Amino acid sequence: DIQMTQSPSSLSASVGDRVTITCRTSQSISNYLNWYQQRPGKVPSLLIYAASSLQSGVPSRFSGSGSGTDFTLTISSLQPEDFATYYCQQSYSTPQTFGQGTKVEIK
Amino acid sequence: EVQLVESGGGLVQPGGSLRLSCAASGFTFSSYSMNWVRQAPGKGLEWISYISSSNSPIYYADSVKGRFTISRDNAKNSLYLQMNSLRAEDTAVYYCARRLAVAAYHYFDSWGQGTLVTVSS
Repeated sequence: DIQMTQSPSSLSASVGDRVTITCRTSQSISNYLNWYQQRPGKVPSLLIYAASSLQSGVPSRFSGSGSGTDFTLTISSLQPEDFATYYCQQSYSTPQTFGQGTKVEIK
Repeated sequence: EVQLVESGGGLVQPGGSLRLSCAASGFTFSSYSMNWVRQAPGKGLEWISYISSSNSPIYYADSVKGRFTISRDNAKNSLYLQMNSLRAEDTAVYYCARRLAVAAYHYFDSWGQGTLVTVSS
């Protein structure tokens, strides 16, 4: 199975900050990497697929990059509604493993 | 509008069984592969099972293989998860999720609201 490691596990940031979350995989997955957001008490929702493609309706302050084993999710200017937990997921092979999550909290 | 509505969760004793359902609407259910993903209280997401649009192939996570069975009824626009030999560590919110494929890429683009399964004596 492909192991997913996100860092950091949590972070504190202020509105307007630039935030970067990293996801590292145990083997190369090309760009078969998705990012999801889960607000507190809510259902996960897709942000980015294929490492850098923005899902329809997702604000452009979200961006993704990377290929191979190292990926990043960037929020260019953090908004109040962005305080949530973010998960990466690989779709390269079954099982489609998720990272452990990165919780973005208000500073 | 795509809608996925899970049901069937509840409290069950260790070793017991439960059958979850996911009712789909707003899209052509028979054209999409589907998945079950769970989330233990305060924990992260865990993919547990996949079924293709035509019922084959089917995949399971090692953690549930041999105990859980995924199935679907395209005529009823419904997805199911039969859970047997339940353990305390199966306690979680269970989500059904639609898998969308764009070229070679696939992802879960729609999720149900989840149903809570609690395994406890």
